[in-house]
This record gives sequence, structure tokens and C-alpha cells, in this order.
Amino acid sequence: GNSVTQMEGPVTLSEEAFLTINCTYTATGYPSLFWYVQYPGEGLQLLLKATKADDKGSNKGFEATYRKETTSFHLEKGSVQVSDSAVYFCALISEGAAGNKLTFGGGTRVLVKP
Amino acid sequence: DAGVTQSPTHLIKTRGQHVTLRCSPISGHKSVSWYQQVLGQGPQFIFQYYEKEERGRGNFPDRFSARQFPNYSSELNVNALLLGDSALYLCASSRTGFGANVLTFGAGSRLTVL
Repeated sequence: GNSVTQMEGPVTLSEEAFLTINCTYTATGYPSLFWYVQYPGEGLQLLLKATKADDKGSNKGFEATYRKETTSFHLEKGSVQVSDSAVYFCALISEGAAGNKLTFGGGTRVLVKP
Repeated sequence: DAGVTQSPTHLIKTRGQHVTLRCSPISGHKSVSWYQQVLGQGPQFIFQYYEKEERGRGNFPDRFSARQFPNYSSELNVNALLLGDSALYLCASSRTGFGANVLTFGAGSRLTVL
């Protein structure tokens, strides 16, 4: 079955530091890949997505590249801010699935200190 | 436009009771999905409905049931509550029920079972 593995947190950074959150997946075919973010006390917000190999998703300074050869979709941001403190979830939707069920990783908590 | 709205936002129940959670999708979205997020974990898929028909069901016991109404809103019902049902229940809507359509999540209903 499908699965997503993320690096465990918490990740604690200083403001303006570089952020990387590793994500690898197991899926049949060519899934679509997503990063969602969850701020304290809120639901999930889509951060970015990529639907085919070598696609790069980007939003709000965050980037992730769909790497089929390494089955990875690592999230990066060059200079984090305190407002980036949140929990980040990597997720996938299987290619050709009957529905659009998301399979999530366990989440990575990021804390950015001023 | 209003986003995905869920009610109630918080509720406390005791073991053995029944709970009904409600979700209104974004206007024009015909698919609603339900996810359970236990504290510190990634969301787990419970159900998906599209055009009032069940499109997918996750690995949850029969105590969990759902339905979608003609206006595309949805209810999640959980019978015979257990302590382990304490979680944030997230509803997500999308335009269609398949493919890499983006799922937009509501803020969730936080259920505490005592």
C-alpha cells in the first residue's frame, strides 16, 4: 500500500536559517505529491503540490521537487521566519485511484525562534 | 467565498455516547472527505463521498458512518464512543472526487471522549 515517511521533529531553527524537511514515499504508479501546513489550532492548508516527476512546486518561499528516482519530495525554504512555525505534512494521492484519498506522513513540527 | 465549515468546533462526550459532526463544502465542490487526526500524528482517511455516493472508506470500524446530502454537505457519525476516538476530525472538499484535485480542509471538530 501507499505510505509517506517524514523526518521526525521537532525541528528548531533561528530566524533566517535554511529549512529542509525530508519526505520519501512508497506508492504504485506515479502519485501526485503535496505539502500541507497546519498552524496551531487550525486545519490543514495546502502549501504546494507536484503532479509528475521533476515538477517543482513552490509557494511562499517554500519549494519541493518531485524526484521519482529517489521517491522523494523534500521541502525547503531558504530563510525561515517566526511565522513559519507550524507542523508540515507530506502527502500523496495515488495515480488512477478511484477517489482522491490523501495518504499523509506523520508530520514534522518546526519551531522558528527570533 | 466561504471555505469549508465544520461544526461543532469542540465537543466533549463520554464513553458509549454517540456524536454527529457536520461539514459544509466550498460552493461548487461536490466531494467531501473525512479524516481523523490523533494528537501528534498525521490525518488518517475515514470516508470520501462524491455526488452523494461513498467513493472510499478507510480502515475504521463500523461504528463510523457518514452520508452526503443533496446540497453536498455531509455528516460523520460515530457510535459507542471509545477513549481512542478522541481526535481532531477534519473535513475536506474538492470539486470532483478523483484525480489530483486539491482538497481544501476545514478547521476541524475537536472531539474529546472522557
